[in-house]
Amino acid sequence: QKEVEQDPGPLSVPEGAIVSLNCTYSNSAFQYFMWYRQYSRKGPELLMYTYSSGNKEDGRFTAQVDKSSKYISLFIRDSQPSDSATYLCAALSGGYNKLIFGAGTRLAVHP
Amino acid sequence: SQTIHQWPATLVQPVGSPLSLECTVEGTSNPNLYWYRQAAGRGLQLLFYSVGIGQISSEVPQNLSASRPQDRQFILSSKKLLLSDSGFYLCAWSGDGQGTYNEQFFGPGTRLTVL
Repeated sequence: QKEVEQDPGPLSVPEGAIVSLNCTYSNSAFQYFMWYRQYSRKGPELLMYTYSSGNKEDGRFTAQVDKSSKYISLFIRDSQPSDSATYLCAALSGGYNKLIFGAGTRLAVHP
Repeated sequence: SQTIHQWPATLVQPVGSPLSLECTVEGTSNPNLYWYRQAAGRGLQLLFYSVGIGQISSEVPQNLSASRPQDRQFILSSKKLLLSDSGFYLCAWSGDGQGTYNEQFFGPGTRLTVL
């Protein structure tokens, strides 16, 4: 079993839709979680960083962690075509801040 | 502000040839440095990390090696490339100046094709 699982999609939504991206993880010791956005042929860009359980909001983006079910989510409100990218979830593991990544979900927002 | 550079941006190499990819970080000191590989359509796999000059930890045994000759320089090398070494290589850093040591920031990547 992979430590972080993510549905690769692709996910296609109309502009303005609310997008829900999800990951599950297996290691209950994970405390820090990240969401990265990666445009085609570019390096990943850190979007959100959350600690433990709860919600964190930044503009149109909300990151949610449910440690009881080992479930992490990223919600995008009022999605735009510029949000079309691959979204990677990651969990921080170990003393040297090793990131364990999901496979990434490819999102397409069409006008 | 901090910036991270990688070069070359793209590279096509024959099987059995050597490899050297370079990563440098500006605007911070004593960063943690990381090398990841991303195969097509897959997530990122950590290859090496370094917490200081000359300190390298390997996550995946393979024909690649890493070195950190200077505080903000990280090099990924191979003596003989394999077809399976093809992929998108990403360098990342974490540390003081932007976020915390928990948050990793990635460079633009090097796309390597081994033929």
